[in-house]
Amino acid sequence: DAGVTQSPTHLIKTRGQHVTLRCSPISGHKSVSWYQQVLGQGPQFIFQYYEKEERGRGNFPDRFSARQFPNYSSELNVNALLLGDSALYLCASSPRQGGETQYFGPGTRLLVL
Amino acid sequence: EDQVTQSPEALRLQEGESSSLNCSYTVSGLRGLFWYRQDPGKGPEFLFTLYSAGEEKEKERLKATLTKKESFLHITAPKPEDSATYLCAVNYGGSQGNLIFGKGTKLSVKP
Repeated sequence: DAGVTQSPTHLIKTRGQHVTLRCSPISGHKSVSWYQQVLGQGPQFIFQYYEKEERGRGNFPDRFSARQFPNYSSELNVNALLLGDSALYLCASSPRQGGETQYFGPGTRLLVL
Repeated sequence: EDQVTQSPEALRLQEGESSSLNCSYTVSGLRGLFWYRQDPGKGPEFLFTLYSAGEEKEKERLKATLTKKESFLHITAPKPEDSATYLCAVNYGGSQGNLIFGKGTKLSVKP
């Protein structure tokens, strides 16, 4: 069975640009969450979507936005990129919202120059 | 204030030398505690979910246990391929169904 997939795998952008990251959940999973992981730290929660609605938002600026599509795939958008946005962006899926196990994709490595 | 604290930050073992990793948490209303393994530059790989104090789960050389305040990941007779960063995360009533991670323990196993 296919796991969580993310694209692209790597991305280089310059300050002020916009970026869109994509995620496809495990088949049958309706919840998608996004996390940011900087080097040496654990992942930090950004957003959770369940049944195409935002169900949770972490402590990130409004430059970060996301959406979930009818097929449960998701996009994370970041506007006006800053150097500090350089990180590994992780997508995780679970069957439903709540205290269930979340399964992570391989991540997108974003470098902002 | 850190809600999830992992120790030690780094651990070096010889092949076959058993040890334990600790994850302590201060949240209330725990819904689940999760252990993941992460290799450099890759996404976290799910290992275990624990839901209640006293619960234990095993997989090959790994065993996870849970108390009301902490969890341990016991590694028995580790091999070099067990080298990775081990992440602990919790989901609780105030976290909106999302995971709060510790900073991880970086494990190195030398042959």
